[in-house]
Amino acid sequence: GAVVSQHPSRVICKSGTSVKIECRSLDFQATTMFWYRQFPKKSLMLMATSNEGSKATYEQGVEKDKFLINHASLTLSTLTVTSAHPEDSSFYICSARNWDSASPQHFGDGTRLSIL
Amino acid sequence: RKEVEQDPGPFNVPEGATVAFNCTYSNSASQSFFWYRQDCRKEPKLLMSVYSSGNEDGRFTAQLNRASQYISLLIRDSKLSDSATYLCVVNPWWGDSSYKLIFGSGTRLLVRP
Repeated sequence: GAVVSQHPSRVICKSGTSVKIECRSLDFQATTMFWYRQFPKKSLMLMATSNEGSKATYEQGVEKDKFLINHASLTLSTLTVTSAHPEDSSFYICSARNWDSASPQHFGDGTRLSIL
Repeated sequence: RKEVEQDPGPFNVPEGATVAFNCTYSNSASQSFFWYRQDCRKEPKLLMSVYSSGNEDGRFTAQLNRASQYISLLIRDSKLSDSATYLCVVNPWWGDSSYKLIFGSGTRLLVRP
């Protein structure tokens, strides 16, 4: 089945650091990728939607300058958390789907970010 | 009102039990519905799509009631390995090329020996 790889799986860093998370589709072309954030015991919250080659669409309340998304190819999207602070600590998950509107989203295995 | 609401549980059942989860959604124009399973500290995995006529996959049965905006998941003959959080997921837009998904907060299931 379709595989989405996310890297790194775990990040611990100091406040003020910028952190880049990669999301790769390994066996299909991901025309659309999604970035979610999940706090403990809460639901996944969509942060932004990115289509290959165009600017990401951010959900209300998500700062685009804080969470930089790049989707430069059909197999790779990156999320950069700029100048991370402890409140940015969360579980970040990407998902990807191809051009077929009937195809499901395939999720990466998530990145646990801890800001000290 | 949340777009997708679920009873958080936990549901604590013995092995072999039948358990049902319910979910309601607020957008009557929603077109696609899914149940995902999420294990602790892991990513969600698609369990099954939910079709208007209802559908079954082994021990799992999903039902959709559009009039009541209600989705259900029935698990028969529960296994220890079924212990997880079950997420009700809705795609609320028809023809939206971004195919956004709205997740419920999940219902936790604990199956005991």
